[in-house]
Amino acid sequence: DTGVSQDPRHKITKRGQNVTFRCDPISEHNRLYWYRQTLGQGPEFLTYFQNEAQLEKSRLLSDRFSAERPKGSFSTLEIQRTEQGDSAMYLCASSFYRGDGTEAFFGQGTRLTVV
Amino acid sequence: GEDVEQSLFLSVREGDSSVINCTYTDSSSTYLYWYKQEPGAGLQLLTYIFSNMDMKQDQRLTVLLNKKDKHLSLRIADTQTGDSAIYFCAESIRNTGKLIFGQGTTLQVKP
Repeated sequence: DTGVSQDPRHKITKRGQNVTFRCDPISEHNRLYWYRQTLGQGPEFLTYFQNEAQLEKSRLLSDRFSAERPKGSFSTLEIQRTEQGDSAMYLCASSFYRGDGTEAFFGQGTRLTVV
Repeated sequence: GEDVEQSLFLSVREGDSSVINCTYTDSSSTYLYWYKQEPGAGLQLLTYIFSNMDMKQDQRLTVLLNKKDKHLSLRIADTQTGDSAIYFCAESIRNTGKLIFGQGTTLQVKP
């Protein structure tokens, strides 16, 4: 297993367009997390899944954002009608959650630029 | 609320020790983490500490936790130029695995 994989690594899109990112977690990891990181800041939590169930969404996740994990394996994060303020690094992490203290492993991220 | 704060920048000479500090607010956090991020890369877990521990050592890394003051520090012994990166402190929210990150400390190591 090569770790958490995210695709694409970079995406440039025009304002108003829709974009979709994919995250492939480490095999058999039951939890998957999405974070957003803007320049000079730490990652901010967006949402997370246990298997296919979305358990929590941050208030940062506006109605234009939707995330899915249909079979409890890979996940997609879609942003509709992108805005310049959506420009950020989108990070995915996965873990085999056995309780507090479980290590989460991060992917390399997808850098989104909205022009 | 949940909040984590760190100093923004630290510069040291190669071979010196580096100490990066962090404060957090959620007293129910059970685990606290240190991550490293190099330019354009994702986050690499360096180490973590359980909240009932005062100290954890892992090779060149020493984590100190003062739970009363909600203060966490990461000491890097014999700092190398390859240690230059941004270091993030994070607290784990109980029962979720969700992480709350600080804004990161940029460590600059001068030869």
